[in-house]
Parts: sequence; structure tokens; C-alpha cells
Amino acid sequence: DTEVTQTPKHLVMGMTNKKSLKCEQHMGHRAMYWYKQKAKKPPELMFVYSYEKLSINESVPSRFSPECPNSSLLNLHLHALQPEDSALYLCASSQELYPGTVNTEAFFGQGTRLTVV
Amino acid sequence: AQKITQTQPGMFVQEKEAVTLDCTYDTSDQSYGLFWYKQPSSGEMIFLIYQGSYDEQNATEGRYSLNFQKARKSANLVISASQLGDSAMYFCAMRVRNSGNTPLVFGKGTRLSVIA
Repeated sequence: DTEVTQTPKHLVMGMTNKKSLKCEQHMGHRAMYWYKQKAKKPPELMFVYSYEKLSINESVPSRFSPECPNSSLLNLHLHALQPEDSALYLCASSQELYPGTVNTEAFFGQGTRLTVV
Repeated sequence: AQKITQTQPGMFVQEKEAVTLDCTYDTSDQSYGLFWYKQPSSGEMIFLIYQGSYDEQNATEGRYSLNFQKARKSANLVISASQLGDSAMYFCAMRVRNSGNTPLVFGKGTRLSVIA
């Protein structure tokens, strides 16, 4: 199974709502990532989890709150978002054989298209 | 810090022809990995090919090959026998060795359009 599954595929939320994005993989990967992608732009890294611990936070506003409940799941909790947060949110995972691995590809989910109204 | 540069915002290619998508990179590290991903309009990032900084042979995966010129810091993707289904965004990306996690850093991408 070489899949990363993201739910929901589409989400429309108001600025006062609280919602969560979910990501699941069963490849035994111990690194998981959240990326944000605006239209016609490359993905931008938001968070990295390694062995269920947050290892990188790219100065993301606190209205985005990541969570890694176990080695297969990654959540992104959303609260009080702004319209400019509308984007495609991509989850990815990769096998990390040792710290500083550079030769393993990341597997991506299909993303959640988020619209904040 | 590492940087990936893709200078072609858009490319057109005739079906069944070959096309080269350019990628240059900048890093002072000796150990790094270079990747190409395809992103169709559906949004999913699809891994295509990998080249390690110490690999002496150019990587190949089916119709995809990577023209790796280390001294010039370039890692161009060559797609042979283009198909209509190859129309998509293509991103060059890099991972650089450090003591912790090494997430992918992406270039701006090239939109490839295959014409029948």
C-alpha cells in the first residue's frame, strides 16, 4: 500500500469555524509533513513530524495546529482562519532510515482544497 | 540554504516528441538528493525520478531520465515520447543532508502542455 489518504478532499469554512484536516498512511513511514500550496505556486513547507514529534515548524501562525496521534496519522486543526489561508493543503510521508536521510522520496496525498469565506 | 531554480514557466511539446525541463540548484552541501514530481490538475504530487549527489550514472525511470551535471549544478528532466497525459505541472525538488529532518524544497515549477 503506497498511499497517503487525505480527508476531506474539499472544505469550505467560515472564519469563525473550527475544522480539522486528516492524513493517514500505512507504509511505516516515520516522517510526515504538511505543505500549503497556493494556486500556481510550489508547495511550501508548514510542519514536519519525525517519530511522532514535531521537528520543524516553519513559523506558521497559531491558527494552524498540527497533531500526530500515532505513527500513521497526522491532523491539522484549523481555527479562526483568514480568506488568504485558502489553498491546497498537502500531506506527505517519507521513510527516514537515519537522521538526515536525503535519498527517499516523499509520498503525497491528493490534498484538501480549503476555501475560507 | 538550498535553492532550486526552474526558469521555464511553461513549455509546449508535440505528442511523441521528447522534451527537456530545466532545473538548477544551489547548495554548499556535498550530500543531497534531487527529485522530480508531476502535479496534474487533480492536485496530487506524483514522484517521477530521483538522483543522488554521489550517483555517477544518470537516473532513468521508463520514459523519464535525469540529465545530471554536477559541476553545473543542473538536474534536467527529459521526457521521451510525450503523451497527452504528460500535460501537468512539473516540480524539481531537493533534500539536503543535515542532522535532522530534510524536507523537500521545491522550485517554482514548469507547466508542460502536450499538443496532439
